[in-house]
Amino acid sequence: AQSVTQLDSQVPVFEEAPVELRCNYSSSVSVYLFWYVQYPNQGLQLLLKYLSGSTLVKGINGFEAEFNKSQTSFHLRKPSVHISDTAEYFCAGNTGGFKTIFGAGTRLFVKA
Amino acid sequence: GAGVSQTPSNKVTEKGKYVELRCDPISGHTALYWYRQSLGQGPEFLIYFQGTGAADDSGLPNDRFFAVRPEGSVSTLKIQRTERGDSAVYLCASSSPKTGTGGNEQFFGPGTRLTVL
Repeated sequence: AQSVTQLDSQVPVFEEAPVELRCNYSSSVSVYLFWYVQYPNQGLQLLLKYLSGSTLVKGINGFEAEFNKSQTSFHLRKPSVHISDTAEYFCAGNTGGFKTIFGAGTRLFVKA
Repeated sequence: GAGVSQTPSNKVTEKGKYVELRCDPISGHTALYWYRQSLGQGPEFLIYFQGTGAADDSGLPNDRFFAVRPEGSVSTLKIQRTERGDSAVYLCASSSPKTGTGGNEQFFGPGTRLTVL
């Protein structure tokens, strides 16, 4: 079965600290991988996506993710977070069709 | 430019009633998706349209759920005989005219929060 698993439901972190949000996927959703962010009271928006090529993908707001085929992972990282990064982050994938599978989300809470 | 809009933003209904949820995609986007997001969960795929046709409706939970997109732009998600378990946020998204690939960015609307009493 297709699945995307986000290993942490909540991640609290202090401002300016680095953060990693973990995502594992099943091989059936490995063609395209995405990270979306949902800020409070806003719709989901794309942070970054992996389609092919370089395994290190850079996105908006200083985020990056690394596609690791052997580990079936697509972890999201940021070297220094800001208060404004507080949001819900969703990892997602599909097999090249249009049925996209989302993980349950990770709530990032940045503390001053 | 205008993003994806959804109406109503909130809908409260009673068990057994019929509801319609509307989605206005970004102009020119031929691909349109419906998702359902329950509390504490990620969006769950319901149905995908390419133009006027439902290219993949495998996520619709049962025959009480139906969606249309008669002119290839606005879409309506219809739920008959609503049940308390249908309570969720229903999200709509659209993407660019490119076909043949699932790698396109999806642009999401703010959602409709459906509460079935």
